[in-house]
Amino acid sequence: GAGVSQSPRYKVAKRGQDVALRCDPISGHVSLFWYQQALGQGPEFLTYFQNEAQLDKSGLPSDRFFAERPEGSVSTLKIQRTQQEDSAVYLCASSLGATPGAYEQYFGPGTRLTVT
Amino acid sequence: KNQVEQSPQSLIILEGKNCTLQCNYTVSPFSNLRWYKQDTGRGPVSLTIMTFSENTKSNGRYTATLDADTKQSSLHITASQLSDSASYICVVSDDKIIFGKGTRLHILP
Repeated sequence: GAGVSQSPRYKVAKRGQDVALRCDPISGHVSLFWYQQALGQGPEFLTYFQNEAQLDKSGLPSDRFFAERPEGSVSTLKIQRTQQEDSAVYLCASSLGATPGAYEQYFGPGTRLTVT
Repeated sequence: KNQVEQSPQSLIILEGKNCTLQCNYTVSPFSNLRWYKQDTGRGPVSLTIMTFSENTKSNGRYTATLDADTKQSSLHITASQLSDSASYICVVSDDKIIFGKGTRLHILP
């Protein structure tokens, strides 16, 4: 079956622009995670959804970052007024169950965001 | 201090050789520890998962070990292949999921 897909795969934004990154999880997966991965680093947690409920957004670095999953499937990560430090790969992962960490996470290929 | 520390940061070995990657963690208690492989330009893919009570798990040429007393895990790769060139990430989960920074492995022909 289809895995997790993300779009766009690459995004170049001028500083100050808003961007929207999309994640299509595996169908039926309850949990959805967003991560930020800087070059040469491991993924850093941003936010977590259980169905449409955003249960943890403690990793969002500022109020310029906003995520939603209105119907409990597709999710969008929006970054307003992008800054150069936002340049990173944004990874989305989904898992079947509701308990973070208890179920296998399946990752998408990521969106590489470059802010110029 | 990062709760999941990996070493070495990077490693270069010749094709066919074995290698061992290390993961030290302070997360306690935890429900499981996973090793992921991340190819360049791709998302991480799970290699092994171990619960607190397990001390070894194999997946082909990959063998992970876990010592809960010393809070250490290792990933041993046997008879390395060029396709093993990737980042290997240790992840410890309880109610949070905490990623290490990864070890970048380069296999030379």
